[in-house]
Amino acid sequence: DAMVIQNPRYQVTQFGKPVTLSCSQTLNHNVMYWYQQKSSQAPKLLFHYYDKDFNNEADTPDNFQSRRPNTSFCFLDIRSPGLGDAAMYLCATSRDRGSGGTDTQYFGPGTRLTVL
Amino acid sequence: AQSVSQHNHHVILSEAASLELGCNYSYGGTVNLFWYVQYPGQHLQLLLKYFSGDPLVKGIKGFEAEFIKSKFSFNLRKPSVQWSDTAEYFCAVTPRRGYSTLTFGKGTMLLVSP
Repeated sequence: DAMVIQNPRYQVTQFGKPVTLSCSQTLNHNVMYWYQQKSSQAPKLLFHYYDKDFNNEADTPDNFQSRRPNTSFCFLDIRSPGLGDAAMYLCATSRDRGSGGTDTQYFGPGTRLTVL
Repeated sequence: AQSVSQHNHHVILSEAASLELGCNYSYGGTVNLFWYVQYPGQHLQLLLKYFSGDPLVKGIKGFEAEFIKSKFSFNLRKPSVQWSDTAEYFCAVTPRRGYSTLTFGKGTMLLVSP
């Protein structure tokens, strides 16, 4: 089945130790998104790629970076994780981003990050 | 910037009870509206969406939602819930301009007791 896959599902890292989360998709969608969801809060968009074009949200900390080496894969890099970065990280894709915001987003299962 | 407010953080119902989850948005222009659902241990998935036309939209699994423009609301309803509807429900909006990204509400956790 076509889907959005995130690995690993659970990630534990140490304070300040760089960590990379992975997302892949078999939908051949142009757009890939990364969201951060803290407990009892709404998913918050960090950034998205439209093809190779990177779009950062204004309030995303510099500590968060992303790479998209090809259509299928997108990575979230946290350079120096702090305790406040513990959250669920969601990857999503959409076919396009135009059409007045009507494209449905398809989500992966998320990676739960714990920072010790 | 747009924002989304969901009225209840937790709702507990018995099977066969009727469900209505509130969602209000704030934005000065036209929006697209979505409800997503996240079943325990699963990923977020689209339940239904409204772009234009009939303000009463039907989604999967017997859910429907009504867009009331004058109230900036998009409430989710189901006449008779089942135990399998236990999940977290998120309302979300995108402004209908150029390209735009989803803004989510904080979610409502629905627990249906058998």
